[in-house]
Amino acid sequence: NAGVTQTPKFRVLKTGQSMTLLCAQDMNHEYMYWYRQDPGMGLRLIHYSVGEGTTAKGEVPDGYNVSRLKKQNFLLGLESAAPSQTSVYFCASISSSGSEQYFGPGTRLTVT
Amino acid sequence: DAKTTQPTSMDCAEGRAANLPCNHSTISGNEYVYWYRQIHSQGPQYIIHGLKNNETNEMASLIITEDRKSSTLILPHATLRDTAVYYCIASSGAGSYQLTFGKGTKLSVIP
Repeated sequence: NAGVTQTPKFRVLKTGQSMTLLCAQDMNHEYMYWYRQDPGMGLRLIHYSVGEGTTAKGEVPDGYNVSRLKKQNFLLGLESAAPSQTSVYFCASISSSGSEQYFGPGTRLTVT
Repeated sequence: DAKTTQPTSMDCAEGRAANLPCNHSTISGNEYVYWYRQIHSQGPQYIIHGLKNNETNEMASLIITEDRKSSTLILPHATLRDTAVYYCIASSGAGSYQLTFGKGTKLSVIP
């Protein structure tokens, strides 16, 4: 049982490049989330999904897109990366009957 | 979700109890109090949650005042590995179980 995994762990992008961050969970959780965390700050919700095929905007969705084609995977896309998107990105999941969000180890993204 | 207020930082001697306060004066009746912690740059880790009764698990105890306007997380015997940022979150969990993270309290456990 790996829990929540994130790929890649680190990435450096140039301004304007695109990339996709992958989050996978093996706990059969219905809900999944993408957060970003800037230095010295708490986590801010980007997008979330309450089930396969559904997504919704969180607090800071601009510049990001998401997809949940399979229940176990939640993808976060940056179509045209900007330096303001330099951050650590965390994925999380929770069961619809649970009370604890499980977090992945994070992806550290730098946009130059 | 109700706003929560926590001290920016606290110190605790190793082996002593760490008491982390949280104010949530506008909490509504269906909102739970959740505590998470983040060690260094790892993903946050769930600690405990409660509605109005005090709760205890293998990691910590949660004391919620009778009026539910504040709470205290207690780590009974702090170790160096408990050094982390601790987040207090008020959330009803309704619909999408969203959590709103503030800046939390940086707890430093000192040898």
